[in-house]
Amino acid sequence: QKEVEQNSGPLSVPEGAIASLNCTYSDRGSQSFFWYRQYSGKSPELIMFIYSNGDKEDGRFTAQLNKASQYVSLLIRDSQPSDSATYLCAVNDKGSSNTGKLIFGQGTTLQVKP
Amino acid sequence: DARVTQTPRHKVTEMGQEVTMRCQPILGHNTVFWYRQTMMQGLELLAYFRNRAPLDDSGMPKDRFSAEMPDATLATLKIQPSEPRDSAVYFCASGLSGGGDTQYFGPGTRLTVL
Repeated sequence: QKEVEQNSGPLSVPEGAIASLNCTYSDRGSQSFFWYRQYSGKSPELIMFIYSNGDKEDGRFTAQLNKASQYVSLLIRDSQPSDSATYLCAVNDKGSSNTGKLIFGQGTTLQVKP
Repeated sequence: DARVTQTPRHKVTEMGQEVTMRCQPILGHNTVFWYRQTMMQGLELLAYFRNRAPLDDSGMPKDRFSAEMPDATLATLKIQPSEPRDSAVYFCASGLSGGGDTQYFGPGTRLTVL
């Protein structure tokens, strides 16, 4: 059973701090990694994807990937109350013959307090 | 503005009734995914298609759920007969095979079965 694990939280950080969200995955063959943000009552929204080891930055967001350790993380700098949401980690299912199937974690709820 | 559309956005029905949910993928996308999300189970993959052909529907209760793609611009998910335990938010997502496995979600259909 291929798995993607996230701490459900809630992760609470003060406004302006760095929020660090972590995710581990079981399928060593996975090659595509995604972070989705989901506000309460809304659909998941893609915010970052990463394919290569290392860091990828986009504005206040940085995705970090370490394939050897099978973890991917998302850093949010200068956290804002509007960042309060559930963050879903997703990993491609390499065994599904490039169909684009993703395996989602249960999500981490982030609370940014003013 | 390319986006996935879903109808209806909300549906309240009585147990035993047939429910049909519709999804229009982003124009040009050739993979379509149906998910169900509940507080308890998180995001569950029900079925997915590539180039209108079903690739995997192992996540669906076969006796009552069915998914089809009558054409490239329409995917349907049908429940017959519906049961209270089917109450959830149903999301459709689309992507482009060979496009890095990225999926884009529709707004969802919130289903309540009384």
